[in-house]
Amino acid sequence: KQEVTQIPAALSVPEGENLVLNCSFTDSAIYNLQWFRQDPGKGLTSLLLIQSSQREQTSGRLNASLDKSSGRSTLYIAASQPGDSATYLCAADMDSNYQLIWGAGTKLIIKP
Amino acid sequence: NAGVTQTPKFRVLKTGQSMTLLCAQDMNHEYMYWYRQDPGMGLRLIHYSVGEGTTAKGEVPDGYNVSRLKKQNFLLGLESAAPSQTSVYFCASSAGRTQHFGDGTRLSIL
Repeated sequence: KQEVTQIPAALSVPEGENLVLNCSFTDSAIYNLQWFRQDPGKGLTSLLLIQSSQREQTSGRLNASLDKSSGRSTLYIAASQPGDSATYLCAADMDSNYQLIWGAGTKLIIKP
Repeated sequence: NAGVTQTPKFRVLKTGQSMTLLCAQDMNHEYMYWYRQDPGMGLRLIHYSVGEGTTAKGEVPDGYNVSRLKKQNFLLGLESAAPSQTSVYFCASSAGRTQHFGDGTRLSIL
């Protein structure tokens, strides 16, 4: 059974720093790995999707990498801003009716 | 752009009461999902639908029922609410691999 873990559960950094969020999974037979952002009281917004055949995806200041052999994905945020404060969740797509297996998320606080 | 709309946004129930949560999407998506989100845990899939008139069980279906009579709507029912069902419920829809989420329903069972 696939399990997805995100450590740490919370992270606080000063504005302007580059940072890395971690996501690990136990079953390497994933179809893709997805990163989402959740703002307080809101739903989730898709950030990046990395296909199993890809190593990374980039969108603006965000870069997500995938290493299936080690069961890890990272989300790199460059030049962090207070507006980046949110909870970031990763999810593994196991190619079963598009169902996703979710991590519990990392709550990120960027201090001005 | 409405996207995925969930109603109500908040609700407080007493143990044993029943209620229905409504999810509506205007993107003509085939797939729809109901999740619950509890503190310290990832989202858990309750039920999902791969098209109008179809439903299937997810990871935590017990105590819930669903219906998808119209393509744009996906209803989640609690027949006899229990305190363990206190949670934030999210609906999502997708046409492919990327799911689009509503803003959630915060449900408390006393």
